[in-house]
Amino acid sequence: DGGITQSPKYLFRKEGQNVTLSCEQNLNHDAMYWYRQDPGQGLRLIYYSQIVNDFQKGDIAEGYSVSREKKESFPLTVTSAQKNPTAFYLCAAGPGLEQYFGPGTRLTVT
Amino acid sequence: SQQGEEDPQALSIQEGENATMNCSYKTSINNLQWYRQNSGRGLVHLILIRSNEREKHSGRLRVTLDTSKKSSSLLITASRAADTASYFCASPSGSARQLTFGSGTQLTVLP
Repeated sequence: DGGITQSPKYLFRKEGQNVTLSCEQNLNHDAMYWYRQDPGQGLRLIYYSQIVNDFQKGDIAEGYSVSREKKESFPLTVTSAQKNPTAFYLCAAGPGLEQYFGPGTRLTVT
Repeated sequence: SQQGEEDPQALSIQEGENATMNCSYKTSINNLQWYRQNSGRGLVHLILIRSNEREKHSGRLRVTLDTSKKSSSLLITASRAADTASYFCASPSGSARQLTFGSGTQLTVLP
């Protein structure tokens, strides 16, 4: 996981609350990504950013928002509009073809 | 839709045996990657194979790519209990270095 930190590791929220997941990298990579993983499944892309102050929607962006004010940071907000937010969230960064992942945040919304 | 799909979904072998996982994809690609995920952790990049390569080795890993069949395989030789993990193939999609991941193969290596 080296070089990419995600916090917290576990997060619990009540339904209807927004929650922000942190992702920081010290690898100096331009591109950063957020994925969602549900049990027994692969990763689905939520948002990605190629450069500071720019980001694009992935396959499942509805109910999520991001910002990229600094190269090192790419926080993800899970809003109350996300109908099924309980999942494992993974952040990644990469210089090109390969991506390097953080340890993930497991979000549980009840 | 999933660009890559792994087969089998789950595989259980004894320590020392070889493990083979397969990945199929739908559209033309210029490279394919394999990642490993230990339970509850992030993914770790294992190997990248380009479309002009048919086979690539890294330690106990051997990856093949058959672009005519749109398939790839990952072979882990002389498996160890520590190889127990989920293995995913990932292929480029869209623009801007996006990857699409398959649903993974859960490998269990029994001691």
